[in-house]
Amino acid sequence: QVQLQESGPGLVKPSETLSLTCTVSGGSISTSGYYWGWIRQPPGKGLEWIGSIYYSGNTYYNPSLKSRVTISVDTSKNQFSLKLSSVTAADTAVFYCARHVSYSGDRHLDHWGQGTLVTVSS
Amino acid sequence: QPVLTQSSSASASLGSSVKLTCTLSSWHSSYIIAWHQQQPGKAPRYLMKLESSGSYNKGSGVPDRFSGSSSGADRYLTISNLQSEDEADYYCETWDSNTWVFGGGTKLTVL
Repeated sequence: QVQLQESGPGLVKPSETLSLTCTVSGGSISTSGYYWGWIRQPPGKGLEWIGSIYYSGNTYYNPSLKSRVTISVDTSKNQFSLKLSSVTAADTAVFYCARHVSYSGDRHLDHWGQGTLVTVSS
Repeated sequence: QPVLTQSSSASASLGSSVKLTCTLSSWHSSYIIAWHQQQPGKAPRYLMKLESSGSYNKGSGVPDRFSGSSSGADRYLTISNLQSEDEADYYCETWDSNTWVFGGGTKLTVL
């Protein structure tokens, strides 16, 4: 059973870059047929897709965040990472990493990490 | 890009059934969606993939009490024999051209 675990600082200063890593266990991140993504949830609000990456390195970003987001993959460590630049208090959220399937037009999320709260504050 | 619309809240009594709705934008009425459950203070959990035909595939360990159905642009999640642990937020998800969107979520209260 694949498991995902987020890690990174819980506090980031305004205007700085938020950096998180997701470590995948129980399966290889290089297996074809899966995307790996980041989703966030501001306190008390709904889910927002940030972006996703295929093991080959192809990336896909939410248009509303595209100018500030970079997602990368390190297949040697079975990890993928998120960088969100120029953060403000509005970026305070629980960040989840997740896996999407990729098969015959199907792209649904089927595994989630436990989430990590990142607060933007000076 | 598809839009998913969900009622903000729903309630039903312990042991009864409830049907939650996720409505796709009209141009995307044939799209597949997925349902996710988020219990208070926890990460979301994948429940099922649901096609326009009404065919659904559930995730590992999802109880038989959870089922899906479809009608036009509407995708339904039915929970039978409601239990206290079913009190949660329920989100639908879909995708198009390698972008993903979520509905606003429905908060289910078990009375």
